[in-house]
Amino acid sequence: DAKTTQPPSMDCAEGRAANLPCNHSTISGNEYVYWYRQIHSQGPQYIIHGLKNNETNEMASLIITEDRKSSTLILPHATLRDTAVYYCIVRNAGNMLTFGGGTRLMVKP
Amino acid sequence: KAGVTQTPRYLIKTRGQQVTLSCSPISGHRSVSWYQQTPGQGLQFLFEYFSETQRNKGNFPGRFSGRQFSNSRSEMNVSTLELGDSALYLCASSLAASGSGANVLTFGAGSRLTVL
Repeated sequence: DAKTTQPPSMDCAEGRAANLPCNHSTISGNEYVYWYRQIHSQGPQYIIHGLKNNETNEMASLIITEDRKSSTLILPHATLRDTAVYYCIVRNAGNMLTFGGGTRLMVKP
Repeated sequence: KAGVTQTPRYLIKTRGQQVTLSCSPISGHRSVSWYQQTPGQGLQFLFEYFSETQRNKGNFPGRFSGRQFSNSRSEMNVSTLELGDSALYLCASSLAASGSGANVLTFGAGSRLTVL
């Protein structure tokens, strides 16, 4: 799996949008971008994934640049419960996820 | 729909002992993967099973082993425990195995092992 680079930490005000960037400059054509988050000591929770097009679901939006070398996860209205470590992962069809250090998002009141 | 169930949630062992952890995947999911999470190394892939066959294995010593049963339930075993094996062990299930395109993994809550 290609490597990803994420900022180690970010803060966001409650109610504001949280924009979490991810760099994956070595991504190949058949690799998907996945986002998971992990709330303290729980199992990682799937958020969203995409290949080329932008994606949106009930939790978040995923914006992938045209060259696919970077992406941004957007939580439109962050709440305190969104405080977690967010992992950006690029993977091919395999189930061997390679987790990096992730971004520790702190949502503050 | 029940999620991924891991048992036990917490356990304490001493060095040299062995431990068996269990994972029940989401109904209908046939692939089970195991991950180890430690503060120093983060989340690391252990192995993946599909239809009772190990398909992929991470870079862990032979003390770490696993198996999958015909009902897709999986167990992992760690023998001759070391202090460094203290970790959160996570199981994830998915519908399909490797090679299946966009395939979402659903994780369980984990089994926290402490080795004294």
